[in-house]
Amino acid sequence: QVQLVESGGDLVKPGGSLRLSCAASGFMFSDYYMGWIRQAPGKGLEWISYISGDGTGTYYADSVKGRFTISRDNAKKSLYLQMNSLRAEDTALYYCVREYSAYDMSFGYWGRGSLVTVSS
Amino acid sequence: EIVLTQSPGTLSLSPGEGATLSCRASQSVPSNYLAWYQQKPGQSPRLLIYGASSRATGIPDRFSGSGSGTDFTLTISRLEPEDFAVYYCQQYGRSVTFGQGTKVEIK
Repeated sequence: QVQLVESGGDLVKPGGSLRLSCAASGFMFSDYYMGWIRQAPGKGLEWISYISGDGTGTYYADSVKGRFTISRDNAKKSLYLQMNSLRAEDTALYYCVREYSAYDMSFGYWGRGSLVTVSS
Repeated sequence: EIVLTQSPGTLSLSPGEGATLSCRASQSVPSNYLAWYQQKPGQSPRLLIYGASSRATGIPDRFSGSGSGTDFTLTISRLEPEDFAVYYCQQYGRSVTFGQGTKVEIK
């Protein structure tokens, strides 16, 4: 079955950097778009970024464009999110997600999330 | 950016009753790429409906989605105790945006 396990969340100071990882299993990783969605404490869902199966297409929300970089290593079945110039408003639980199918890009599979706290 | 507005903010209902949740888009959602998710406290969201009206794998048939263009609806025909949760709509026709959520609570 599809499993997505995030790691790398931590407490970081404003202006700092952090790299999240997502280990995938149970499916042909390179066949699917993958992405990141975040949820601030007590708030709703916010799409951050997604990447095509071969890694050549990357897309970002305006709120993180120029600060965050999504990447993937298909050989390692892993997804990454490099976060630079972090701000207090980036504090959130970050979910790794996979598109539902090759024919539909809704987010059919979610990890349990990795908590990022930006505070001095 | 396509802005999604969900209503009502909170729905107070009893088990066995039906629920109707609305999601209105600020402009037409291309190809009706509209999804619905359920999130329970402390859990990750779960995909219920994609493409406005298709149920995801394993989703009970008491959940149904309808609508097109700018107006979409999630209907729960008879609320089970496990259905009390927060529901989000999401469009993925032009970039990706989420609605702010509707909480379905026990009356």
